[in-house]
Amino acid sequence: GAGVSQSPRYKVAKRGQDVALRCDPISGHVSLFWYQQALGQGPEFLTYFQNEAQLDKSGLPSDRFFAERPEGSVSTLKIQRTQQEDSAVYLCASSPPRWETQYFGPGTRLLVL
Amino acid sequence: RKEVEQDPGPFNVPEGATVAFNCTYSNSASQSFFWYRQDCRKEPKLLMSVYSSGNEDGRFTAQLNRASQYISLLIRDSKLSDSATYLCVVTRLGGFKTIFGAGTRLFVKA
Repeated sequence: GAGVSQSPRYKVAKRGQDVALRCDPISGHVSLFWYQQALGQGPEFLTYFQNEAQLDKSGLPSDRFFAERPEGSVSTLKIQRTQQEDSAVYLCASSPPRWETQYFGPGTRLLVL
Repeated sequence: RKEVEQDPGPFNVPEGATVAFNCTYSNSASQSFFWYRQDCRKEPKLLMSVYSSGNEDGRFTAQLNRASQYISLLIRDSKLSDSATYLCVVTRLGGFKTIFGAGTRLFVKA
C-alpha cells in the first residue's frame, strides 16, 4: 500500500509569507506526528494528533505555527509570517493503533528567503 | 542539556568492522526506545526497537540499561550500505511525545 505522502516536496517562501504543508498518512493510521528537522540535527517534535484530536502541541515553536487534522486523516501544518529560521525539513509520520513504530513521509523542504 | 544525547561522530570504519553507538537519555519517565536510520536527504526509518532484555536482528544488536538511562547499538561486519545517520529515539510515558537524538553519522569504506 501507499506510504505517507507530503506536499509540496519543496517550498520557497519570501519572509513574511504564509505557507501550508500537507500530510497524507497511511490509511487507517490513528496517530499523526509533525517534526521539524534542521540541517545536521535530528527531527524535533512539533505536535501529535490522535484521530482529529491534537493531544500535544508543546513542540510548536511559536503561535505562528498551527496544525490541524479536521477529519482524522489528512493534516495541514500552517506557518504564518514565515521567518528565515523556519527554513528546515518538515516531516510527517503516522502510526497505527497501539503500535509505536512511526512511518515517515519524505518531508517538505522549506526555504525562507 | 538535551534530553537525548548521542555520540557526535562521524564514525569512519572499514568494511567488516564492528562499530558501537551510544545514547543517553535524561527523562526517567521515558517509556519506549528505538534506533532509526536516516539516509542522506531521506526520511528516518525504523531500524529496531530496544528492550531491557536486549534484542538482535542479524548484524545489529541493541541494548537498554534503564538504571543508567543508556541505549546502545552494535553493528557487526559493517557493509558499505550501512553508511547512514543513526538516530536514537525515546518516547515519553503515554507514548506520543517522541524525542530524537541529533544522530551519529557512520561512513563505511571499502
